[in-house]
Amino acid sequence: DAKTTQPTSMDCAEGRAANLPCNHSTISGNEYVYWYRQIHSQGPQYIIHGLKNNETNEMASLIITEDRKSSTLILPHATLRDTAVYYCIVRVAGGIQGAQKLVFGQGTRLTINP
Amino acid sequence: EAQVTQNPRYLITVTGKKLTVTCSQNMNHEYMSWYRQDPGLGLRQIYYSMNVEVTDKGDVPEGYKVSRKEKRNFPLILESPSPNQTSLYFCASSMTGVADTQYFGPGTRLTVL
Repeated sequence: DAKTTQPTSMDCAEGRAANLPCNHSTISGNEYVYWYRQIHSQGPQYIIHGLKNNETNEMASLIITEDRKSSTLILPHATLRDTAVYYCIVRVAGGIQGAQKLVFGQGTRLTINP
Repeated sequence: EAQVTQNPRYLITVTGKKLTVTCSQNMNHEYMSWYRQDPGLGLRQIYYSMNVEVTDKGDVPEGYKVSRKEKRNFPLILESPSPNQTSLYFCASSMTGVADTQYFGPGTRLTVL
């Protein structure tokens, strides 16, 4: 699975959009970008994933560049409860392809300030 | 409610005293796995299971055992715990494999004295 690079920490004001970048310059054509977050030692929580088209769900939007070498997770109206560590993970999707584990890395510690 | 449960949530034990951390899911998921989380090392996979009676090692399996006799349960067994197994443990499950959305349990904080 491709390696990802994320900033160690970020701050965002409550109510504003939080934009979390992720670099995955070695991504392969069949690898998806996944985002999970972990709120203070709770179990990680799935947010969103995508291949090459932008994706949106009730939690967030995922913008993937045309060359797929980087992506941005957008929390449109951040709240204090969005303070967490956000993990960008790249791996093959579908069935039982590839190693059956998620490689979380260190993630980005996002702090939402009142 | 769809969920993954772990028990106990907190445990303090002594070196060498066998223990089991239970994990159960109510979503009829085939795939289950265990991770440990340590400061500076992130989440690392211990074992995983693709289905009943099918288990395999992750990155850090030493000192752990698992079993998958029923689809819903995936217990983590520490036959002889040691202080270096002090950690935060998470169980996860998904429909068929790790590429599917993973549902994580609330975690078990284990301290081995």
